[in-house]
Order: sequence, then C-alpha cells, then structure tokens
Amino acid sequence: ILNVEQSPQSLHVQEGDSTNFTCSFPSSNFYALHWYRWETAKSPEALFVMTLNGDEKKKGQISATLNTKEGYSYLYIKGSQPEDSATYLCATHAPGNTGKLIFGQGTTLQVKP
Amino acid sequence: GAGVSQTPSNKVTEKGKYVELRCDPISGHTALYWYRQSLGQGPEFLIYFQGTGAADDSGLPNDRFFAVRPEGSVSTLKIQRTERGDSAVYLCASSILAGGINEQFFGPGTRLTVL
Repeated sequence: ILNVEQSPQSLHVQEGDSTNFTCSFPSSNFYALHWYRWETAKSPEALFVMTLNGDEKKKGQISATLNTKEGYSYLYIKGSQPEDSATYLCATHAPGNTGKLIFGQGTTLQVKP
Repeated sequence: GAGVSQTPSNKVTEKGKYVELRCDPISGHTALYWYRQSLGQGPEFLIYFQGTGAADDSGLPNDRFFAVRPEGSVSTLKIQRTERGDSAVYLCASSILAGGINEQFFGPGTRLTVL
C-alpha cells in the first residue's frame, strides 16, 4: 500500500507569517509529486509537479522542494496572506504510471488578518 | 475556456436510495478520473477512463458503485442502495492523456450526504 503522509494536519498563522508543511511518500518507484491548493467550495488547483531529486519550484510567494531519496517534499509560504487559507494536498503516482494519484490527507492552513 | 464541471454541487439523499453524479470534463481531454474525499482524509482514487473504457476501476469500494462514459466525454458515477458511509465529496478530474505527468484538472466536486 502506498502511503502519503502530510503534516501538520492543520495550521493557524497570522497574516505576514511564513510557514511550511511536509509531505512524505515512499521513495521506491517514485515517478512524480504533485502539490494542489484546494479552497473551500472551489476546485483543487495544481500548484506544482516535481519529478527530479533536488527540484525546487516557485510560484509567487509559494515554493516547494523535493527529496526523492528520502521521500519528502516541503511546501513553503512566505508572508502568508488571508487568501492563502486553503487545504494543501500532495499526491504521488501509483505504480504503473497510469496517472492514478495517491493523495495525502492534506494540511489545512488558516491565515488570520 | 470552461473547466471541469460537476453536477449537482450538493446532493442529499436517504439511505437505500440511488444517486447519479455527473462530470463534464474539459473538451478534448481523453482521460477522466473519479476520486472521493471522506471527512478528514485526502481524495481517494475510485476509477479512471481512457476514452470510453474504464482502464482501472480498482478503487471502487464495492459493486454498488458503477461509472460510465459512453461517448468518451461526460461521465456518470452511479451509486446504488446508498449507505451513510458513502457521504463524501466526489471529485472528478480530466487530463489530455492518462499517465505521465499530464496535469489533472479538477472540478469543484459533488458533496453527497446520505441521511
């Protein structure tokens, strides 16, 4: 069974704080790691897809790193804003590369003004 | 262009009833996925289609669940004899092709509540 774990489960920060969360996944048979942002009542939105060990991706104030050898990825948000409040999901591919994604349980971020 | 749409957005039903959930993928996307998110968990894979055929239905929990995509576009997830444990958000996603790192574009989900 492929287990993807995310921590923490939830996070409350003040506007302007920087924060980070972790996604752990099995390092064997790794293919790609996806990060999604899911705001309440909206569609999950793709943030990053990462494939290579040592990959770093950045979109605005959000960045992510990938370590495939030890099986983890970090998502960083610099200077959180209330509009960053959402659930952040990571997912990796099931063996066989069919596109079938295995998701972690998500980290729910609440940014207080 | 239009994204993935799902109808209804909310569905409340009684235990034992039959429900259908609809997904309209992005035009031209050949792959279509169904996931289910139960409370406190991440989305869990149910089934995916490549064209009209179900390429992998290993995530369907039991034979009460069935999905079709007869013309290779719109898909319907059908749940018979609903149970309270079926209550969840049902997400649909589509991508240009199955497999690889083709981005999956998600709909907003259907929240199913079984009373």
